[in-house]
Amino acid sequence: DQQVKQNSPSLSVQEGRISILNCDYTNSMFDYFLWYKKYPAEGPTFLISISSIKDKNEDGRFTVFLNKSAKHLSLHIVPSQPGDSAVYFCAAMGRYAGGTSYGKLTFGQGTILTVHP
Amino acid sequence: ETGVTQSPTHLIKTRGQQVTLRCSSQSGHNTVSWYQQALGQGPQFIFQYYREEENGRGNFPPRFSGLQFPNYSSELNVNALELDDSALYLCASSLRAPQEQFFGPGTRLTVL
Repeated sequence: DQQVKQNSPSLSVQEGRISILNCDYTNSMFDYFLWYKKYPAEGPTFLISISSIKDKNEDGRFTVFLNKSAKHLSLHIVPSQPGDSAVYFCAAMGRYAGGTSYGKLTFGQGTILTVHP
Repeated sequence: ETGVTQSPTHLIKTRGQQVTLRCSSQSGHNTVSWYQQALGQGPQFIFQYYREEENGRGNFPPRFSGLQFPNYSSELNVNALELDDSALYLCASSLRAPQEQFFGPGTRLTVL
């Protein structure tokens, strides 16, 4: 079962405009969410995260919004730049069943973002 | 500060063989997690090691095994390779806390 879903395989935007990447999750035990960016031939690079006690976190051009009731989060990139073109992964983290440890990331399938000059 | 490194970069094996992949964690990080990323998919959690002990495992068969050493570097071993094991194998290190994990560049394994 796909506990974290990114339903848009790709997104194309114009330089300077806003990019909005979406992510849905099903497991209510998730309490920490992250976005990673991945270029070809490189590992995923951490972008921004949000705890379930917040509904918004901002870092420069990147803002993540969390709607817990809808089990939905989104990443906004404003303004978008050609260098932002990459695959973006949404990931969620929560407690192991019956345990107290953290660390297992559950990833979505990724969204390919292309920013045109 | 040295980031996460993995070796080898690429590897080609045949079905039934065994493979060992290696990972050096970022300086100061005591937790290493391994992920498998098939083409067109997101990374899938294999297992995690904390202070040389396995600390959680994903839905992977026992032929996937690992080790963590006192310097926190780690190995992933896969026995009896199958064609579906062809993937990018990613290692990530972190501190023992619910925070972001830092990934290495991965090892691309091809099983023929």
